[in-house]
Amino acid sequence: NAGVTQTPKFQVLKTGQSMTLQCAQDMNHEYMSWYRQDPGMGLRLIHYSVGAGITDQGEVPNGYNVSRSTTEDFPLRLLSAAPSQTSVYFCASRQSYGYTFGSGTRLTVV
Amino acid sequence: KNEVEQSPQNLTAQEGEFITINCSYSVGISALHWLQQHPGGGIVSLFMLSSGKKKHGRLIATINIQEKHSSLHITASHPRDSAVYICAVHTGTASKLTFGTGTRLQVTL
Repeated sequence: NAGVTQTPKFQVLKTGQSMTLQCAQDMNHEYMSWYRQDPGMGLRLIHYSVGAGITDQGEVPNGYNVSRSTTEDFPLRLLSAAPSQTSVYFCASRQSYGYTFGSGTRLTVV
Repeated sequence: KNEVEQSPQNLTAQEGEFITINCSYSVGISALHWLQQHPGGGIVSLFMLSSGKKKHGRLIATINIQEKHSSLHITASHPRDSAVYICAVHTGTASKLTFGTGTRLQVTL
């Protein structure tokens, strides 16, 4: 099925561990983005990419890295997890008609 | 003050009622999105607007660029409409979305 696929759906990390949240889309969308959602706050943009090889920072980029080596994939890396990064993470791609979101990753850092 | 404000924050309605959710923004925008987040967490894009009005089934979205205001209407509401409705705007180069905090809607029988 066409869409945005995020893995894993759930993850528990210890403080200081690293991990990569995977995001893949099969719609050939140039624009992809990562958001985090915290209780009482709107979704906030972490990083985005307007095409392969091009990435830029969003509103809350600290502690996260991204790369875009292909149109399909846009992984989000946590280099050294902190409890403040406990959140629900969404990946999305965009075409002219709007956004397609992944199903989210619920990350807990203990 | 947030750049995107939604009202109300919470809304309870009975099945069949006409529902309005409001979104006001304080910056110049190139487009506005309405999103629906289901109780299970998934997010679905409902509308993208840059002017006027759009309709899809029982959902209607309007935008007034001069007043920096948009509304999402649901006609003949149904319990399956229960969700969080989120307004988001494109500013600047349109590479970034700024989100409201959402309106939690519960429709009861």
